[in-house]
Amino acid sequence: GDSVTQTKGPVTLSEGTSLTVNCSYETKQYPTLFWYVQYPGEGPQLLFKVPKANEKGSNRGFEATYDKGTTSFHLQKASVQESDSAVYYCVLGDRAGNTGKLIFGLGTTLQVQP
Amino acid sequence: GPKVLQIPSHQIIDMGQMVTLNCDPVSNHLYFYWYKQILGQQMEFLVNFYNGKVMEKSKLFKDQFSVERPDGSYFTLKIQPTALEDSAVYFCASSLVVETLYFGSGTRLTVL
Repeated sequence: GDSVTQTKGPVTLSEGTSLTVNCSYETKQYPTLFWYVQYPGEGPQLLFKVPKANEKGSNRGFEATYDKGTTSFHLQKASVQESDSAVYYCVLGDRAGNTGKLIFGLGTTLQVQP
Repeated sequence: GPKVLQIPSHQIIDMGQMVTLNCDPVSNHLYFYWYKQILGQQMEFLVNFYNGKVMEKSKLFKDQFSVERPDGSYFTLKIQPTALEDSAVYFCASSLVVETLYFGSGTRLTVL
């Protein structure tokens, strides 16, 4: 079945350093890929989505490229801030089925120290 | 941005009793969802609901589970009877189009 595997956390960084959270996926479909972010006490919220292979999504300095060849969708940010501390989820969407059913990775907790 | 409200944030219930989890979705949204997250595990899809009907449900959506949105008000998840393995955080979500979901902050259900 469909699955998502991402960097196991927690990841601890100092402010101003770069971030990479690895994500790989398995599916026989043609999915849309998402990154969601969850701040303490809140539900997951969409960071950005990429519906097509070989395209890049970005928001708030975060970016990821939908690489169909390597089935990867790694999240990157050049310079993290303390406010980026949160849990990041790589998510696979069932675009073909058009049901809104999402497959979540386990989540990667990012802690940014000042 | 649009807000999905889930109240209360925590419910404690004895095994075998009935529980109803309430969700106030974004007002103009058409699709509604429940997801379940057991501590330390992945968030998993339970069910989606559109036009008054369940569109799809996962194998986690047991016979003891039901959903409804009477008169366009709260979207509810009812569990009757509850079991110990139902302890989890339940996230409600809604969307105007199927690919852009807005999640609530979750209700932590503890079954004793």
